[in-house]
Amino acid sequence: NAGVTQTPKFRVLKTGQSMTLLCAQDMNHEYMYWYRQDPGMGLRLIHYSVGEGTTAKGEVPDGYNVSRLKKQNFLLGLESAAPSQTSVYFCASRGQGGEQFFGPGTRLTVL
Amino acid sequence: AQSVTQLDSHVSVSEGTPVLLRCNYSSSYSPSLFWYVQHPNKGLQLLLKYTSAATLVKGINGFEAEFKKSETSFHLTKPSAHMSDAAEYFCVVSPMDSSYKLIFGSGTRLLVRP
Repeated sequence: NAGVTQTPKFRVLKTGQSMTLLCAQDMNHEYMYWYRQDPGMGLRLIHYSVGEGTTAKGEVPDGYNVSRLKKQNFLLGLESAAPSQTSVYFCASRGQGGEQFFGPGTRLTVL
Repeated sequence: AQSVTQLDSHVSVSEGTPVLLRCNYSSSYSPSLFWYVQHPNKGLQLLLKYTSAATLVKGINGFEAEFKKSETSFHLTKPSAHMSDAAEYFCVVSPMDSSYKLIFGSGTRLLVRP
């Protein structure tokens, strides 16, 4: 049981490049979330999904898109990366008790 | 709207002394509350959760928290700090709507002096 996994762990992009971050969970959870973490700001919700085929905007959705084609996977896309998107990105899935289980994170730098 | 405030951005204690990390929440109804810990360059790990079953909640690694509705507080405590407790701690509230989103405090960095 791997829990929540994220790929890649690190990535460096140039401004304007695109990329996709992959999140996978093996706990059969319905709800999945993408957050970004910046110094002194805690975690902020980017997008979330309440089930396969559904997505919704969170607190800071601009510049990101998501897809949930399979229940176990939740993808986060950056179509045209900007330096303001330099951050650490965390994926999470929600358990039966309301708690969320987090992946190890992806550290993204946009030059 | 729900929110959570962590009253200290940094807390420094000596090894073996008690730990107190303070958290106040704002909610129009009884919320679900959590404490998470994040060690450097790691993901977030759940320490404990309050979901209205008992006001004193015991978590992992000797941590516990008490839900006080009259004070709208959910402070995290540990009787004796260990060096391995040095990390960032987040108080989190969940507005029990259909999204089950989590709202994070800004975090408290715990330093443990030898």
